[in-house]
Amino acid sequence: DVKVTQSSRYLVKRTGEKVFLECVQDMDHENMFWYRQDPGLGLRLIYFSYDVKMKEKGDIPEGYSVSREKKERFSLILESASTNQTSMYLCASSLSRLGRGTGELFFGEGSRLTVL
Amino acid sequence: TQLLEQSPQFLSIQEGENLTVYCNSSSVFSSLQWYRQEPGEGPVLLVTVVTGGEVKKLKRLTFQFGDARKDSSLHITAAQPGDTGLYLCAGPLIYNFNKFYFGSGTKLNVKP
Repeated sequence: DVKVTQSSRYLVKRTGEKVFLECVQDMDHENMFWYRQDPGLGLRLIYFSYDVKMKEKGDIPEGYSVSREKKERFSLILESASTNQTSMYLCASSLSRLGRGTGELFFGEGSRLTVL
Repeated sequence: TQLLEQSPQFLSIQEGENLTVYCNSSSVFSSLQWYRQEPGEGPVLLVTVVTGGEVKKLKRLTFQFGDARKDSSLHITAAQPGDTGLYLCAGPLIYNFNKFYFGSGTKLNVKP
């Protein structure tokens, strides 16, 4: 059974703290993505990666960075957390690149981050 | 404004009722996917529609892709409490495969 695992389901951090969100997939997918989900706004793409060591900005990359040192692992980093980064963060992986073919996105369970 | 508009935003119905959820755009899409997200979980793919006018059935769920590939609908027959969740449509524009858009979702609650 395919699996995308996010390290933390719930986090509470203080403004200015550095936050690491880890994501691991066991499907040998090259393509991995980080989204944030907010009510009424749907899913918005933060960063994505089509290969190890490779990263591309999505629609809302400001305030975030990512790391892809190994194929199966894609980390999202908030260098200095702010209250407007309180959100649900979803990691996903895919066999296909976004929009190519009819590739399915496999999502993790999400990490709900609260920044105080 | 979202490129994919979903309606209604919220729907609360009794078990056994039928419902339709809409996903509309002024842009043409290469394909559209429908995901369901249950509380506390990530979205899970239900179906992908590719051809204009295509209809796909998944048990009590019927998905349709508009002839012009600008819209899609999801119809549920005899809804059950297990259908409760957030339904999301998503897809790439026909001339820009590098962009993948999600609708804002329809939150469905089916009461027993």
